[in-house]
Amino acid sequence: GENVEQHPSTLSVQEGDSAVIKCTYSDSASNYFPWYKQELGKRPQLIIDIRSNVGEKKDQRIAVTLNKTAKHFSLHITETQPEDSAVYFCAAKEGNNRLAFGKGNQVVVIP
Amino acid sequence: GAVVSQHPSRVICKSGTSVKIECRSLDFQATTMFWYRQFPKKSLMLMATSNEGSKATYEQGVEKDKFLINHASLTLSTLTVTSAHPEDSSFYICSARGSERGGVYEQYFGPGTRLTVT
Repeated sequence: GENVEQHPSTLSVQEGDSAVIKCTYSDSASNYFPWYKQELGKRPQLIIDIRSNVGEKKDQRIAVTLNKTAKHFSLHITETQPEDSAVYFCAAKEGNNRLAFGKGNQVVVIP
Repeated sequence: GAVVSQHPSRVICKSGTSVKIECRSLDFQATTMFWYRQFPKKSLMLMATSNEGSKATYEQGVEKDKFLINHASLTLSTLTVTSAHPEDSSFYICSARGSERGGVYEQYFGPGTRLTVT
């Protein structure tokens, strides 16, 4: 099955700086890669996703890039704000249409 | 995004009793629903996948007789934890996917249910 690895596990950034989280996957057949944001005690929320026919997608301060050859994709958050502090999960769609999740990355934005 | 509700949000039950958790897709038809378990500061552990009108597919190590899943309609799935024990205490989250919302890939999560077994 698909194996998704996410790093770093914890990332602290100064408010206003950029944050980058990288995920790698193992199955070259995976073709859908979403990112979820989960605040403490709340549900994971889909914030951005990318399909394998696209290399980059942007939505305001967040963007996702995909390198199919290297089998990795990254979440970029620019001009970070305190409300960006959360756990971010990446995922890759397996051949059986299920999502394989990474272990999560705790992002802390320091005011 | 699509809206998924889950009820109850919190439940405390005694050891040996059963608890039912409901998951509803409010503004779309969920052809597939997923049930996850999440431990503190940990990732999402998939328990089972259910398609409307068919039996759920359980992940390895998940007891199907203990975690009963019913996906009776395109908007409702239920998870029943039978004969609950303290080790079943956890955060249970459902997720729904419907082909009507941007394709068959996007999954939306419910708010989760905090189960505490005493």
